[in-house]
Amino acid sequence: GAGVSQTPSNKVTEKGKYVELRCDPISGHTALYWYRQSLGQGPEFLIYFQGTGAADDSGLPNDRFFAVRPEGSVSTLKIQRTERGDSAVYLCASSLDRGSTDTQYFGPGTRLTVL
Amino acid sequence: KNQVEQSPQSLIILEGKNCTLQCNYTVSPFSNLRWYKQDTGRGPVSLTIMTFSENTKSNGRYTATLDADTKQSSLHITASQLSDSASYICVVGNAGKSTFGDGTTLTVKP
Repeated sequence: GAGVSQTPSNKVTEKGKYVELRCDPISGHTALYWYRQSLGQGPEFLIYFQGTGAADDSGLPNDRFFAVRPEGSVSTLKIQRTERGDSAVYLCASSLDRGSTDTQYFGPGTRLTVL
Repeated sequence: KNQVEQSPQSLIILEGKNCTLQCNYTVSPFSNLRWYKQDTGRGPVSLTIMTFSENTKSNGRYTATLDADTKQSSLHITASQLSDSASYICVVGNAGKSTFGDGTTLTVKP
């Protein structure tokens, strides 16, 4: 595709449920990033992939959050036992590489609401 | 703690006017500084990227400056248009991980 796509665009779930959020990066981009954005705040770094491996997962808030990128392209962010505080917009971005001047291209985000 | 602080939090200007947004950071070590524009309900879109050695970068009506000594950056918007209404986010990169400011919400009125 022409840009980064994320599905679903909106997800409403109940507290305690499991959710998966999907990110399709721009073809050929080796670096992929997940962020979480709460209303009125800037995005908060969660995890960064270089190829198939998580190069930096220090932003994941706890062990309920996990992300994979098995073939170095599509990535899935998985949240177990969701809590109301997990409600936010989850943004995915990709870049050609992790060079200092590489532009990150963001997807439109998935708005997660935990009831 | 790595922090990026932006000011003002919000700004209202008339169409055609210029404005300047500020960003102060305490991120270390420094890799690059980026300005993004984020429309409501959309992902951020990159405007400018500057490394340590660059002190100004332009993209159309947007001009970013960087003073690495004082750890300050500004984004100047010239001849504002209604479509400039958005949140402008300053981002400081550090070895692959970025610290985002909370953004300045700009409203351009006719």
